[in-house]
Amino acid sequence: NAGVTQTPKFRVLKTGQSMTLLCAQDMNHEYMYWYRQDPGMGLRLIHYSVGEGTTAKGEVPDGYNVSRLKKQNFLLGLESAAPSQTSVYFCASSSRDRASDTQYFGPGTRLTVL
Amino acid sequence: AQSVTQLGSHVSVSEGALVLLRCNYSSSVPPYLFWYVQYPNQGLQLLLKYTSAATLVKGINGFEAEFKKSETSFHLTKPSAHMSDAAEYFCAVSGANTGNQFYFGTGTSLTVIP
Repeated sequence: NAGVTQTPKFRVLKTGQSMTLLCAQDMNHEYMYWYRQDPGMGLRLIHYSVGEGTTAKGEVPDGYNVSRLKKQNFLLGLESAAPSQTSVYFCASSSRDRASDTQYFGPGTRLTVL
Repeated sequence: AQSVTQLGSHVSVSEGALVLLRCNYSSSVPPYLFWYVQYPNQGLQLLLKYTSAATLVKGINGFEAEFKKSETSFHLTKPSAHMSDAAEYFCAVSGANTGNQFYFGTGTSLTVIP
């Protein structure tokens, strides 16, 4: 049982390049989330999904797109990377009971945009 | 609206001393409250959570937190700090009206001095 995994662990992009971050969970969770973590700002929600085929915007969605084609996977895309998107990205998942349920986090992806 | 405030971005304690990390929340509905810990270069791990059962919540690694509605607080404590407790600690709030969203504090970095 691997929990939540993220690919890749590190990535360096040039401004304007695109990339996709992959999140996978093996806990059969309905809900999945993408956060970014920046110094002094805690974690901020980018997008989330309440089930296969669904996505919704979080607090800071601009510049990102997501897809949830399979229940176990949640992809985060950057179409045209900007230096402001340099951050550590965390994926999380939780089961059906939303507000009180624990979110389980992946190990993170450290992204640098030059 | 939901939010959390963590007082003190950096806290230092001596090994064996009391650990006290402060978290105050703002919520228009009864909240669910969480403390997560993040070790260097790792994802977030749940320490404990309050979901309207007992107001004193015990978590892993000897940590506990007390929900005080009158003070809108959920401070994290540990009687005796250990070197392995050095990490970043995040308080988070969710509620019945937040959908799937957790709102995280900005984090407190705990240093344990030998």
